[in-house]
Amino acid sequence: SQTIHQWPATLVQPVGSPLSLECTVEGTSNPNLYWYRQAAGRGLQLLFYSVGIGQISSEVPQNLSASRPQDRQFILSSKKLLLSDSGFYLCAWSYGGETLDTQYFGPGTRLTVL
Amino acid sequence: QKEVEQNSGPLSVPEGAIASLNCTYSDRGSQSFFWYRQYSGKSPELIMFIYSNGDKEDGRFTAQLNKASQYVSLLIRDSQPSDSATYLCAASYGNNRLAFGKGNQVVVIP
Repeated sequence: SQTIHQWPATLVQPVGSPLSLECTVEGTSNPNLYWYRQAAGRGLQLLFYSVGIGQISSEVPQNLSASRPQDRQFILSSKKLLLSDSGFYLCAWSYGGETLDTQYFGPGTRLTVL
Repeated sequence: QKEVEQNSGPLSVPEGAIASLNCTYSDRGSQSFFWYRQYSGKSPELIMFIYSNGDKEDGRFTAQLNKASQYVSLLIRDSQPSDSATYLCAASYGNNRLAFGKGNQVVVIP
């Protein structure tokens, strides 16, 4: 069976500090990977998605970046956090190379920027 | 921008009743539709998906799709207190991406 991990679970960071969130998937190969942000009272916003190692597509211009150094690892980063970066960050995966679109979410990271 | 709208406010239903949730989507090219349940402070979990017009039943849940009207719905029969959550509707668009609605909160009253 497939499992998706995210860490850390919670994070409190000062404005201007860097950020690194990690997501790993087990039990599948070549998955599609996604980063979403869910701000308070708002819907899920797709930030980045990846269909393979080193292949990153950005949905929304912002001060965040993503990388996929290994097949089942997806990293979300920032050099300098803004207050508006606070939110619930969710990583998701779907089967790669198929028509099925079902996405499965990790447990999430709750980020508070002070 | 692909849009999925869930306009209903919080829905309160008595235990054992039917909860009905609705969703509309903007992209006529969307082929796949999903309902996720999200408990407070937790990540979304898949309830069911539907690809074809008509009804699809899974236990107490029934999803309905009408592509001509660009409309998706979810019925929860015999609602239980454990069904109290926010329900997210999602529609597919290019490159295996999903657009999500903002969600509808359901409160089941014992």
